[in-house]
Amino acid sequence: DTAVSQTPKYLVTQMGNDKSIKCEQNLGHDTMYWYKQDSKKFLKIMFSYNNKELIINETVPNRFSPKSPDKAHLNLHINSLELGDSAVYFCASSQGSVYNEQFFGPGTRLTVL
Amino acid sequence: GENVEQHPSTLSVQEGDSAVIKCTYSDSASNYFPWYKQELGKRPQLIIDIRSNVGEKKDQRIAVTLNKTAKHFSLHITETQPEDSAVYFCAAMDSSYKLIFGSGTRLLVRP
Repeated sequence: DTAVSQTPKYLVTQMGNDKSIKCEQNLGHDTMYWYKQDSKKFLKIMFSYNNKELIINETVPNRFSPKSPDKAHLNLHINSLELGDSAVYFCASSQGSVYNEQFFGPGTRLTVL
Repeated sequence: GENVEQHPSTLSVQEGDSAVIKCTYSDSASNYFPWYKQELGKRPQLIIDIRSNVGEKKDQRIAVTLNKTAKHFSLHITETQPEDSAVYFCAAMDSSYKLIFGSGTRLLVRP
């Protein structure tokens, strides 16, 4: 009965490859997010979707493309991976985008070699 | 845009003592301030939050205070226990409803 789940948990890949991370929530929330946590633990928002519509798009390279097929899923596809993309990527969800708790997934540790 | 600064970056306390973590923010339009706890290798989890129409909120051993005029807010943990050891993040929700996180405080509670 995991609330927010992500796959895979670990991802090790070579520079230049394309990879995807999947996220699913079973909380019935209408808003989902992608965050990046770098090696210094800085946690930064990348994208947010509300009811499948993109509402937050931070200054992220266009190699990163989110996709929300429905309210319960938010995937992240990364093209032409670079060394600097190595980080932990967290998916999160909330009911509405204002003042409500964001529930985080377990994270996906991406290592680019 | 919103900028959140958090201090200290590391904090070591004896079990049973209190711990205080402080944050300042820059955007006076921000009006929601959550605190998240992240244990080693785990996900961030909300421990307490406060909205700008309230000056203080308490939940058992944890309290948060907010000074809107000075644009700072603080987390207070009393009677600390070893299981309180973690990284704590403050955050502020800016006018475009983005959560902007502080840089984190690593709290170590020594038994």
